[in-house]
Amino acid sequence: DIQMTQSPSSLSASVGDRVTITCRASQDISNDLAWLQQKPGKAPKSLIYAASNLLSGVPSKFSGRGSGTDFTLTISSLQPEDFATYYCQQYKSVPVTFGGGTQVEIK
Amino acid sequence: QVQLVQSGAEVKKPGASVKVSCKASGYTFTNFHVHWVRQVPGQGPEWLGIINPISGGTTYAQRLQGRVTMTRDTSTTTFYMELSSLRFDDTAMYYCARRYCGGSSCHFDFWGQGTLVSVSS
Repeated sequence: DIQMTQSPSSLSASVGDRVTITCRASQDISNDLAWLQQKPGKAPKSLIYAASNLLSGVPSKFSGRGSGTDFTLTISSLQPEDFATYYCQQYKSVPVTFGGGTQVEIK
Repeated sequence: QVQLVQSGAEVKKPGASVKVSCKASGYTFTNFHVHWVRQVPGQGPEWLGIINPISGGTTYAQRLQGRVTMTRDTSTTTFYMELSSLRFDDTAMYYCARRYCGGSSCHFDFWGQGTLVSVSS
């Protein structure tokens, strides 16, 4: 199975901050990488697919980069509604696997 | 609009079975595979398997092989996930999610709202 490792596991940031989350795959997954957002008590929401493409309706403050094994998610200007847990996910091969999550908290 | 609406919460005893439904609407049912994922509170998601809506063909996570069965009913545009021989550590939120394929990417786009399955004696 492909292991997905995210860092940091949590971070504290202020409204307006730029934040970056990192995800590393245990083997080359090309660009078959997605980012999900999950708020407490809610289902995950898909934000980005193919490493850098925003799903419909996702604001442009979210951006993704990377290919192969190293990927990043950046939120350009953190807003109150962005405080949540973010997961990376590889869908290159089954089993689909997820990172451990990054909890973004208010400083 | 695309919707995946799941059945309500379930409480089961160890050794029992549970069947969760996922009603699809707002799109052509046979055009999109569906994944099932579960999540223990406070932990990351775990992939359970995927089903082809046309053939009913499935691929399951190896650790659940023999206990999980995914089916679909094309007449009601509903997907089902049944888990048998329930254990305490099967307690989790269960989600269905649609697979969208475009270009060279086959990613998740829409998710169901989740179904809480609690296993308790």
